[in-house]
Amino acid sequence: AQTVTQSQPEMSVQEAETVTLSCTYDTSENNYYLFWYKQPPSRQMILVIRQEAYKQQNATENRFSVNFQKAAKSFSLKISDSQLGDTAMYFCAFMNLQTGANNLFFGTGTRLTVIP
Amino acid sequence: GAVVSQHPSWVICKSGTSVKIECRSLDFQATTMFWYRQFPKQSLMLMATSNEGSKATYEQGVEKDKFLINHASLTLSTLTVTSAHPEDSSFYICSARELKGIIYGYTFGSGTRLTVV
Repeated sequence: AQTVTQSQPEMSVQEAETVTLSCTYDTSENNYYLFWYKQPPSRQMILVIRQEAYKQQNATENRFSVNFQKAAKSFSLKISDSQLGDTAMYFCAFMNLQTGANNLFFGTGTRLTVIP
Repeated sequence: GAVVSQHPSWVICKSGTSVKIECRSLDFQATTMFWYRQFPKQSLMLMATSNEGSKATYEQGVEKDKFLINHASLTLSTLTVTSAHPEDSSFYICSARELKGIIYGYTFGSGTRLTVV
């Protein structure tokens, strides 16, 4: 079974600063995807960034980047130049490509607050 | 981009009644949809996987007769909470996967807040 662990229940960062959210996962599979989703107060789940396990290069999306360490099973999210709109719950998620269902397994989330 | 519409956004019902929640993919076909439940300040817990034209696959511990799922077309899946009780009060979220979109993750609906009184 896959498990996703986010060890930081809450974090805060000053506006314009950089923050890193941690995520580790446990799997015996080799073919999978990893995602970071954002859930603002509206509760709408928004995809922030994704990473294919077979790719060594870390994914980046504007101010968002990941540090993917496959051997260590670590997938941290770095938010640069934090903005007030980044305040939200952030969920790390794992998708196993080996099975047919391909459902997402979510971590417990990190509540990020950007301080003006 | 892909859009998933979920209705209603919130509903209050009396204990013992049934409530239907709809999840529609507006601009793509979804052979598979997922239903999640989220308690306050907690993560999303997968309830069931809904496959078009076949029976849903429920996660362990989820009552099939209580949470009825129907996926009759490639754009619509419904979750019916039957004989609702206060402990069923929660936030329910659906997500859909495009036929070709697995590498892009899934698109989520905006969720339904169910309150059973």
